[in-house]
Amino acid sequence: GAVVSQHPSWVICKSGTSVKIECRSLDFQATTMFWYRQFPKQSLMLMATSNEGSKATYEQGVEKDKFLINHASLTLSTLTVTSAHPEDSSFYICSAREGLDGYTFGSGTRLTVV
Amino acid sequence: GQNIDQPTEMTATEGAIVQINCTYQTSGFNGLFWYQQHAGEAPTFLSYNVLDGLEEKGRFSSFLSRSKGYSYLLLKELQMKDSASYLCAGADYKLSFGAGTTVTVRA
Repeated sequence: GAVVSQHPSWVICKSGTSVKIECRSLDFQATTMFWYRQFPKQSLMLMATSNEGSKATYEQGVEKDKFLINHASLTLSTLTVTSAHPEDSSFYICSAREGLDGYTFGSGTRLTVV
Repeated sequence: GQNIDQPTEMTATEGAIVQINCTYQTSGFNGLFWYQQHAGEAPTFLSYNVLDGLEEKGRFSSFLSRSKGYSYLLLKELQMKDSASYLCAGADYKLSFGAGTTVTVRA
């Protein structure tokens, strides 16, 4: 089946620094990838939709200048959390769509900002 | 957009059956998904319904009624390992998740 690789699995960074999270589709081409954020005991909240070769579409309330998304190829999307602060600490998950009904999730990245 | 509603918590006994209901309102519809998520892990796909009716996969079944905007996930012969959060997600051009139902299975 389809596999999505997400790295790193966890990261601790200092407040004010930037962190990049990678999401790769290993055995299929993903023209569309999605980035979610999940706070403890809450559901997945869609942050943005990443389309290969074009600008990402951000959900309402998500700062595009803070959460930079790049989808330069059909198998790689990156999310960069810029100038991270403790309130950005969360579980970030990517998902790649294959066809109309296939959504495959990465294993998630636990970000802790200290 | 999507509006997904499901109960917050459910508790059941090992070996029993539990039904998790989900109602949705969508501007477009391309299917209804159910995922299982254990704490600290990514969601795992359970089922997908795009046509009305029941889809059965072993101990798990999912039902969809498009006219009622309603779905349920049925978990049979509950095992302790089924304790998890179950997420209902509606698809138009993207997946939108409900808040999740935490199922606790007790011995």
